[in-house]
Amino acid sequence: GAVVSQHPSRVICKSGTSVKIECRSLDFQATTMFWYRQFPKQSLMLMATSNEGSKATYEQGVEKDKFLINHASLTLSTLTVTSAHPEDSSFYICSAVGLAGALAYNEQFFGPGTRLTVL
Amino acid sequence: QKEVEQNSGPLSVPEGAIASLNCTYSDRGSQSFFWYRQYSGKSPELIMFIYSNGDKEDGRFTAQLNKASQYVSLLIRDSQPSDSATYLCAAPGEGGADGLTFGKGTHLIIQP
Repeated sequence: GAVVSQHPSRVICKSGTSVKIECRSLDFQATTMFWYRQFPKQSLMLMATSNEGSKATYEQGVEKDKFLINHASLTLSTLTVTSAHPEDSSFYICSAVGLAGALAYNEQFFGPGTRLTVL
Repeated sequence: QKEVEQNSGPLSVPEGAIASLNCTYSDRGSQSFFWYRQYSGKSPELIMFIYSNGDKEDGRFTAQLNKASQYVSLLIRDSQPSDSATYLCAAPGEGGADGLTFGKGTHLIIQP
């Protein structure tokens, strides 16, 4: 159980276009989802916290107008990178926290990640 | 600003030996800690979490927490080549569901 999927797994786009990444919890309901970004040879950096039915909370330095997050249901959060540029090329990973169960110690279930390359 | 520090390595260990990975953290209020393993190009997978001072064992893995010293470690016994990966230490924020602050990770290489 506790499977999180992401789509697409890999995307290549031209500079200036927008890209949408989906994160789904497949077998549980996720009240909270997180979006992380990982540049080559660096660690994961939290970008934003996405709560179902409310606005996302962005970490300092992350542009909310550039990285649009929508958490429309308890199983789906989307991240849209608007007007993408080469410096946005990165590995984007989502994670989800369920309604119950492993939350006692904030266990997060990670998706497989989306590799974004902006040309 | 919460910080989690790790030596990036690489840490090279012979097969069958014990690999010791270390992590320090800045926030004394942190209550629990996670160790993740990440293979190249993949997302992290949880190995262990620990919230009490002392040791916690799970198979070949032992996590150690010393809150007074703000220090967390992960020991891998009988290291296998498949253990070669980057190991990430992480701490959550306060509250029920907060994003994790990750260390930069230690690149572990198990030499056959």
